Amino acid sequence: EPEVTQTPSHQVTQMGQEVILRCVPISNHLYFYWYRQILGQKVEFLVSFYNNEISEKSEIFDDQFSVERPDGSNFTLKIRSTKLEDSAMYFCASSGLQPKSPLHFGNGTRLTVT
Amino acid sequence: GNSVTQMEGPVTLSEEAFLTINCTYTATGYPSLFWYVQYPGEGLQLLLKATKADDKGSNKGFEATYRKETTSFHLEKGSVQVSDSAVYFCALSDLENAGNMLTFGGGTRLMVKP
Repeated sequence: EPEVTQTPSHQVTQMGQEVILRCVPISNHLYFYWYRQILGQKVEFLVSFYNNEISEKSEIFDDQFSVERPDGSNFTLKIRSTKLEDSAMYFCASSGLQPKSPLHFGNGTRLTVT
Repeated sequence: GNSVTQMEGPVTLSEEAFLTINCTYTATGYPSLFWYVQYPGEGLQLLLKATKADDKGSNKGFEATYRKETTSFHLEKGSVQVSDSAVYFCALSDLENAGNMLTFGGGTRLMVKP
């Protein structure tokens, strides 16, 4: 069964550094998402992406964050200058075009900002 | 806005016990409802879904019925196994938001002892 893959599984970075989290969505999917889960808290929506542009974003997704689909397969989340509070598990997801199409999630990247 | 409330865990059961994890929601439109499961060290996997009132989603012995009158989507299983130990997330998707954006509950950890 096709799956969403994320790399790396764990990223450690120093405060103020830039990080790029990478995702390869399922190949025939058209909607792409990033969610995050701070340890012990809810899974929170960050951003959705369709047709090469952001379709929706949450309040969390401020100017420090950006997303890109640089080629036909990768979908990246960039955090420009990391803060301690950015430490979380980041999940990528993708879904098909049909209404009510379920999201398929990757295994996540654990980001630790020191 | 949309919100999902789940019972807090952990829920600890013996093998073959009956499981109920409560989930209630608040939504402005007519949402689809989902249960996702997160096994240790893995990402979020869709367990089951229901897209309209009175629908019953089922998978792997788990069931949940979309109750519009009580705005609930409680997860049940008649006989749990040790392998069911995981974190369970209730979620909703409001189609008025682009791209099936999900709103998650806080998650409920289930521990099944042999």
